[in-house]
Amino acid sequence: GENVEQHPSTLSVQEGDSAVIKCTYSDSASNYFPWYKQELGKRPQLIIDIRSNVGEKKDQRIAVTLNKTAKHFSLHITETQPEDSAVYFCAASIKGNTPLVFGKGTRLSVIA
Amino acid sequence: NAGVTQTPKFQVLKTGQSMTLQCAQDMNHNSMYWYRQDPGMGLRLIYYSASEGTTDKGEVPNGYNVSRLNKREFSLRLESAAPSQTSVYFCASSDQGGGNTIYFGEGSWLTVV
Repeated sequence: GENVEQHPSTLSVQEGDSAVIKCTYSDSASNYFPWYKQELGKRPQLIIDIRSNVGEKKDQRIAVTLNKTAKHFSLHITETQPEDSAVYFCAASIKGNTPLVFGKGTRLSVIA
Repeated sequence: NAGVTQTPKFQVLKTGQSMTLQCAQDMNHNSMYWYRQDPGMGLRLIYYSASEGTTDKGEVPNGYNVSRLNKREFSLRLESAAPSQTSVYFCASSDQGGGNTIYFGEGSWLTVV
């Protein structure tokens, strides 16, 4: 089955700097890659996703890139703010067939 | 629109006791899931139901059973709770399986002593 590896497990950045979180997946048939943000004590919530026919997608300060050949995708957060502090999860799945498989998460701390 | 609702929010069990976590969604989604979240382990799939009438094991099904009662409801049962089942449990749903956005409930904090 699918296996998703996520790095780093913790990340600290200064406010205003950029943060990058990377994930690799094992199943070349996977074609849906969402990112979830989980604030302390809250539920995970989708922040951005990308499908295999797209190489990059942006939404304001957040962007995701996908390299299908290398089987990795990344989350980029620019101009980080204290409210970006949270745990971020990447995930992968085969559309319409299998449930999402999540990475182990990255705890991002933005230091003011 | 409540989304995904799960109960109870907090529960303390003694080893060997049984309990059922309830989950309901009002988004007319076909697929529903139960995940558990442990520190450093991410979100691991326990069981899922791709559509009403079907259930399948996920990554960590041992010690659990599920019932897809109807399209709206998907329950998770611990028959004989063990301390290793201390965790946060999330129910989730999606429209047509893994290739679509899944929406999580607020979570159930379970402690087994």
